[in-house]
Amino acid sequence: DAKTTQPPSMDCAEGRAANLPCNHSTISGNEYVYWYRQIHSQGPQYIIHGLKNNETNEMASLIITEDRKSSTLILPHATLRDTAVYYCIVRGSGGTSYGKLTFGQGTILTVHP
Amino acid sequence: NAGVTQTPKFRILKIGQSMTLQCTQDMNHNYMYWYRQDPGMGLKLIYYSVGAGITDKGEVPNGYNVSRSTTEDFPLRLELAAPSQTSVYFCASSKGNTGELFFGEGSRLTVL
Repeated sequence: DAKTTQPPSMDCAEGRAANLPCNHSTISGNEYVYWYRQIHSQGPQYIIHGLKNNETNEMASLIITEDRKSSTLILPHATLRDTAVYYCIVRGSGGTSYGKLTFGQGTILTVHP
Repeated sequence: NAGVTQTPKFRILKIGQSMTLQCTQDMNHNYMYWYRQDPGMGLKLIYYSVGAGITDKGEVPNGYNVSRSTTEDFPLRLELAAPSQTSVYFCASSKGNTGELFFGEGSRLTVL
């Protein structure tokens, strides 16, 4: 699975949009981009995933560049409860990729009042 | 639905002791996983199972064993606990081979 690079930390004001970048320049054609977050001491929580098209759900939006080498997770109106570590993960779509979500260091997002 | 339930939440073991971390899910998911997370680090896959009676090793299986006799349960056994196994353990499940995993709240284990 392709490696990802994320900034170690980011800040955001409450009520503003949080834009979390991720670089995955070695991604291959059948690999998806997944985002998870982990609120302090809890189990990771799935947020969203995509292949090449932009995706939106009730939690966030995922913007993937046309060349698929980077993506941005957008939390449109960040709240204090969004303070967490956010993980960007690239994963193959089948074969021996069972559960192989490679969690790196992630980005620590701190939302300020 | 309770989702993925792990017990115990906290445990302290002495070196050489054995114990089993319990994991059960009520979502009828066929895939289940065990991860460990060391302080300040990401999660590492220990073992996974694609269905009852089938298990396989992940990245860091040494010192652990698993079994999957039912769809719901996926216990993780630690034999001869060592300080290096001090960690937070997360169980997860998914419906099929997808990347959308549902995680439990974790079991914090300390080996002294």
